[in-house]
Amino acid sequence: EVQLLESGGGLVQPGGSLRLSCAASGFSFNSYAMSWVRQVPGRGLEWVSGISDSGGRAFYADSVKGRFTISRDNSKNTLYLQMNSLRAEDTAVYYCAKDRRAYSSSSDYWGQGTLVTVSS
Amino acid sequence: DIQMTQSPSSLSASVGDRVTITCRASQGISNYLAWYQQKPGKVPELLIYAAYTLQSGVPSRFSGSGSGTDFTLTINSLQPEDVATYYCQRYNSAPQTFGQGTKVEVK
Repeated sequence: EVQLLESGGGLVQPGGSLRLSCAASGFSFNSYAMSWVRQVPGRGLEWVSGISDSGGRAFYADSVKGRFTISRDNSKNTLYLQMNSLRAEDTAVYYCAKDRRAYSSSSDYWGQGTLVTVSS
Repeated sequence: DIQMTQSPSSLSASVGDRVTITCRASQGISNYLAWYQQKPGKVPELLIYAAYTLQSGVPSRFSGSGSGTDFTLTINSLQPEDVATYYCQRYNSAPQTFGQGTKVEVK
């Protein structure tokens, strides 16, 4: 059974940093691309970032480019999202998602999400 | 970036009705289009990928069509458990983008 468990969310002040983690199990983690998608409660989905199976290619939404960094540790079956220079508009539930292929594709499994709140 | 426009933003239909949701891309995306269902308080679930391929386990009353810029999600015979918000997503290139969502209610 595929499981994705996010952690690391919480309350942070504007300008601060946070690192999200996503522990994956139940599939060959190093064979699939992974993504982060966020959702402001009550609002729509926003794709944030994606990374290829090997970690060699990473992609970002314009809204987070230069502030967020996606990475993965295939030896630990873990996906990360380092978030710097956080803004109030980054407040959202952040979902980790497994892509269907090794490179950018749709996402067939999602974690339960972790809430990030940026506020003073 | 390529934008995705969904319509309608919400709809209400009766059990057994056929429901159609459309998604339009601002540029051609071939068939790199997925549909997701998000029930209230739940995590999004993949319904359809590659425009018309049904994800394993998804009921056959759901179907997708289209290519290029215009896509459709159809629910044949709407069921009470289909109450949800539906999103399209393009993944032909980064950054990927979602449509704004269509909220489906049952009368």
